[in-house]
Amino acid sequence: EVQLVESGGGLVQPGGSLRVSCAASGFTFSIYGMSWVRQAPGKGLEWVSTFSGSGGSTYYADSVKGRFTLSRDNSKNTLYLQMNGLRSEDTALYYCAKLRGDYAELPFDYWGQGTLVSVSS
Amino acid sequence: DIQMTQSPSSLSACVGDRVTITCQASQAISTYLNWYQQKPGKAPRLLIYDASNLETGVPSRFSGSGSGTDFTLTISSLQPEDFATYFCQQCDELPLTFGPGTKLDI
Repeated sequence: EVQLVESGGGLVQPGGSLRVSCAASGFTFSIYGMSWVRQAPGKGLEWVSTFSGSGGSTYYADSVKGRFTLSRDNSKNTLYLQMNGLRSEDTALYYCAKLRGDYAELPFDYWGQGTLVSVSS
Repeated sequence: DIQMTQSPSSLSACVGDRVTITCQASQAISTYLNWYQQKPGKAPRLLIYDASNLETGVPSRFSGSGSGTDFTLTISSLQPEDFATYFCQQCDELPLTFGPGTKLDI
């Protein structure tokens, strides 16, 4: 059974940093693309970043480019999102999502339950 | 960026009704269109991928169609567990973008 478990969310001041993690199980982590998708309270879904599978490329939404860094540790089956220079508009529930294959332009076939990031003074 | 729109934004229906939700892309995306269902407090769930392919485990009352810029999600006979918010999403190109959602309630 595929499982994605996010952790690391919390309250942080504007300009601060936070790293969220996604522990994956139930599939061969290294060969699938993995993404973060966020949802602000009461709002829709916004794609944040993707790490392709075997190719190892990373992609970012313009809204986070230069501030967020995506990485993965295939030995630990874990995806990380390092978030720096956080802004109030980054407040959201951050979902980890598995892509259907190893490249970026694919459906998200499994989602975690999300980790909440709140940016406020 | 490809903009996705959905209509209606909200919809009230009854158990047993046939319901159609539409999604439009700002440019042609072939059939690179997916549909997700989200219930309150839960993560989204993939229902339909590549415009018309039913994800494993999704009931056959759900169907999708369309290509190019115009797409539809149809629920043939609403069940109580179908009341949720539905999002379309294009995966033709990055950035991946979602529609604003259609809230389906009783």
